[in-house]
Amino acid sequence: QQQVKQSPQSLIVQKGGISIINCAYENTAFDYFPWYQQFPGKGPALLIAIRPDVSEKKEGRFTISFNKSAKQFSLHIMDSQPGDSATYFCAAGTAGTASKLTFGTGTRLQVTL
Amino acid sequence: SAVISQKPSRDICQRGTSLTIQCQVDSQVTMMFWYRQQPGQSLTLIATANQGSEATYESGFVIDKFPISRPNLTFSTLTVSNMSPEDSSIYLCSVGGFPYEQYFGPGTRLTVT
Repeated sequence: QQQVKQSPQSLIVQKGGISIINCAYENTAFDYFPWYQQFPGKGPALLIAIRPDVSEKKEGRFTISFNKSAKQFSLHIMDSQPGDSATYFCAAGTAGTASKLTFGTGTRLQVTL
Repeated sequence: SAVISQKPSRDICQRGTSLTIQCQVDSQVTMMFWYRQQPGQSLTLIATANQGSEATYESGFVIDKFPISRPNLTFSTLTVSNMSPEDSSIYLCSVGGFPYEQYFGPGTRLTVT
């Protein structure tokens, strides 16, 4: 499977701060980029996703920024809260291959008081 | 999004035995997927389960080790055969939504002793 590189591996942010997680991909055929949030003992939950025809998508406190030329995308969590403490996975997929996703390695986010 | 359940939620099995994991969805879906998530690691796609046809396996996964059934549009099973401790993982099923979204079940935590 084509790689999706994710950084950082772990992140500690104070409550109210901005959490930023970055991903880079290789396969230019990817045309769907979701982010998932996973709490311990749970399955990943779809958080937000973007297609390459837009450079930014915002849903509440969560924003995806997408740079097609650099083949990079990032997740920004504004006003981070302790309840946001979880592992975040970026992923990339090609709609033409039936939504098959390649996942990044994950970022463990801890939001402190 | 679809509501997805998996059985069992967890199991401890002896090496050399097999375990069948069930995935049930509350609505009819075309695409179902099976992933493996080793402890503290990312998700790796095992196979795509298509109703009415053979599953499509990713590189490194074979039907003899991970046979899959997809008898209808709401149900699938994954069997982990002839288990070894290296098969200890979380096994997740997911379903494809519209147009590209993918939703995950809660996972089955398997420990092989």
